[in-house]
Amino acid sequence: SAVISQKPSRDICQRGTSLTIQCQVDSQVTMMFWYRQQPGQSLTLIATANQGSEATYESGFVIDKFPISRPNLTFSTLTVSNMSPEDSSIYLCSVGAGSRTDTQYFGPGTRLTVL
Amino acid sequence: GENVEQHPSTLSVQEGDSAVIKCTYSDSASNYFPWYKQELGKRPQLIIDIRSNVGEKKDQRIAVTLNKTAKHFSLHITETQPEDSAVYFCAASTLSGGSYIPTFGRGTSLIVHP
Repeated sequence: SAVISQKPSRDICQRGTSLTIQCQVDSQVTMMFWYRQQPGQSLTLIATANQGSEATYESGFVIDKFPISRPNLTFSTLTVSNMSPEDSSIYLCSVGAGSRTDTQYFGPGTRLTVL
Repeated sequence: GENVEQHPSTLSVQEGDSAVIKCTYSDSASNYFPWYKQELGKRPQLIIDIRSNVGEKKDQRIAVTLNKTAKHFSLHITETQPEDSAVYFCAASTLSGGSYIPTFGRGTSLIVHP
């Protein structure tokens, strides 16, 4: 499986500010995904990011709030914009891997607290 | 879209007992069903998966069964150990726009008492 790292691992931010989360993979992957996991909850897909194309957002998530970059096959960023306390959550990136790329492997996550 | 129901939300067993977690899904186009284990403060880790052309898969103490007709799949853990304590998530994946998009269940908190 791919080795995935995220930065920062955690952060405490003030409302109204923005935070950019980085996701780095040790091998080239086509599919990268961003998830949100609220405390004690399941995993909710925010968007799918493929290199060279615009990210595809799931219902309830918009580009103005969660802009995503995917400059190459090993890196992606997710920005949480104009934050409010409701954005406090764990944000995880994942990559599609395996022979059919249907298996997803997760990064360690970024724990965000918004005051 | 896909909807995945997972039961129970909490499961408490004695060490050595078996544990069973059940999931149902709604979209007949789903064809890949992974299970993830998430320990407290850690990332979800894939523990086993099954594809729609197979009815059962086993890996040591863990097995998964799939009934495509009834649209349900289950995780079975035998001879449970305290280190099996974690939250387990099932997912049903559908191919969409060139990507396999999983929909996750709400999770089952498994507690194994020594």
